Amino acid sequence: AAGVIQSPRHLIKEKRETATLKCYPIPRHDTVYWYQQGPGQDPQFLISFYEKMQSDKGSIPDRFSAQQFSDYHSELNMSSLELGDSALYFCASSPGTPSAFFGQGTRLTVV
Amino acid sequence: AQSVTQPDIHITVSEGASLELRCNYSYGATPYLFWYVQSPGQGLQLLLKYFSGDTLVQGIKGFEAEFKRSQSSFNLRKPSVHWSDAAEYFCAVGERAAGNKLTFGGGTRVLVKP
Repeated sequence: AAGVIQSPRHLIKEKRETATLKCYPIPRHDTVYWYQQGPGQDPQFLISFYEKMQSDKGSIPDRFSAQQFSDYHSELNMSSLELGDSALYFCASSPGTPSAFFGQGTRLTVV
Repeated sequence: AQSVTQPDIHITVSEGASLELRCNYSYGATPYLFWYVQSPGQGLQLLLKYFSGDTLVQGIKGFEAEFKRSQSSFNLRKPSVHWSDAAEYFCAVGERAAGNKLTFGGGTRVLVKP
């Protein structure tokens, strides 16, 4: 069965650089969520989209932005990267039900 | 705001022994409840979920969980653990009023002794 695809799987950036993370949800899933998981931490909700519109916003820094495109894929853009942004970034999708299916994550390392 | 507490940070269990992971939540209404498992450096895999109805829910890999409204708990159990069950386990609450975003507990790391 198709799963949530995230790319890249690993990313190394320098401080103050920009990163773009991509998420391809499961087909026919209309909701996408982004979570950030710091080392040894639980995942924290960043932002979500339903039918290409932002539906909720969590603890997402102003340096980050995201959108969902017409094909339902989503991108998380991160600018002016800081060392503290190093984390595992998860995308999850759902078909309008409470169940969310997670991708394998993108490990971002800021050096 | 809802919150999720997993009181045990680490649990060590012998292979073949039973396992129970505790989860307590704080939420104003009947929550959506989930258990996810995460192997090191990997994504989150859904083990099971509770939305309504029968309070004992069965999941994958032989796991089950019981929703107890009076105790605000959703504990995860497995009768006999396998070495491959060593992982981190997260309990989560889905917030109905906010697009079902998840709030996670701090996680419980399970170590399995041979």
